[in-house]
Amino acid sequence: EVRLVQSGGGLVRPGGSLRLSCTASGFTSGNFVMHWVRHTPGRGLMWVSRVSSDGTTTSYADSVRGRFTISRDNAKNTLFLQMDSLRVEDTAVYYCTRENGDVDFDYWGQGSLVTVSS
Amino acid sequence: DIVMTQSPLSLPVTPGEPASISCRSSQSLLHGNGYNYLDWYVQKPGQSPQLLIYLSSNRAPGVPDRFSASGSGTDFTLKISKVEAEDVGIYYCMQALQLPLTFGGGTKVEI
Repeated sequence: EVRLVQSGGGLVRPGGSLRLSCTASGFTSGNFVMHWVRHTPGRGLMWVSRVSSDGTTTSYADSVRGRFTISRDNAKNTLFLQMDSLRVEDTAVYYCTRENGDVDFDYWGQGSLVTVSS
Repeated sequence: DIVMTQSPLSLPVTPGEPASISCRSSQSLLHGNGYNYLDWYVQKPGQSPQLLIYLSSNRAPGVPDRFSASGSGTDFTLKISKVEAEDVGIYYCMQALQLPLTFGGGTKVEI
């Protein structure tokens, strides 16, 4: 069974940092491109970042570029999102998701709530 | 960036009746390989989003056949032939043609 289990998240002050993790099981994560997507009640879903299957190529939404870093450890089947210089507007539930061959997201993690507030 | 626009924002439905959601993109999602890179997702209350439709008209594994989707270029539609109570949630279209991937604003389907 394919599973993506997330950890991390929590409450942080503006300017602070958090790291999210996403551990895959039931498949060889090193064979798949992985993404982070976030959800806020007011603005819906927003794509955050993408990492290639081997971890060498990364992409970011403009609003997080330079502050967030996506990475992966394929030996541990784990995806990461390092979030620095957090802003109030980064408050959201963050999901890791697996990209299928046609750039669709066929499996999602359970979500990690990140709250940025003073 | 490609802008995705969904309508309606809210869709009251009656079980057993059909429902339809529209999604428009600010530029064509038709790739040179002939496929339209448009996906549909639903986020049910308290759950993670789940894939319904990929490449504009292909049902994901396990998705009931009451769900269908069509469209090409910039105009796309998701249809539910007979709504069931379990279909309540927020439906999103997403363009997968180019980065940044972008979602529509969502359509809330409620009984």
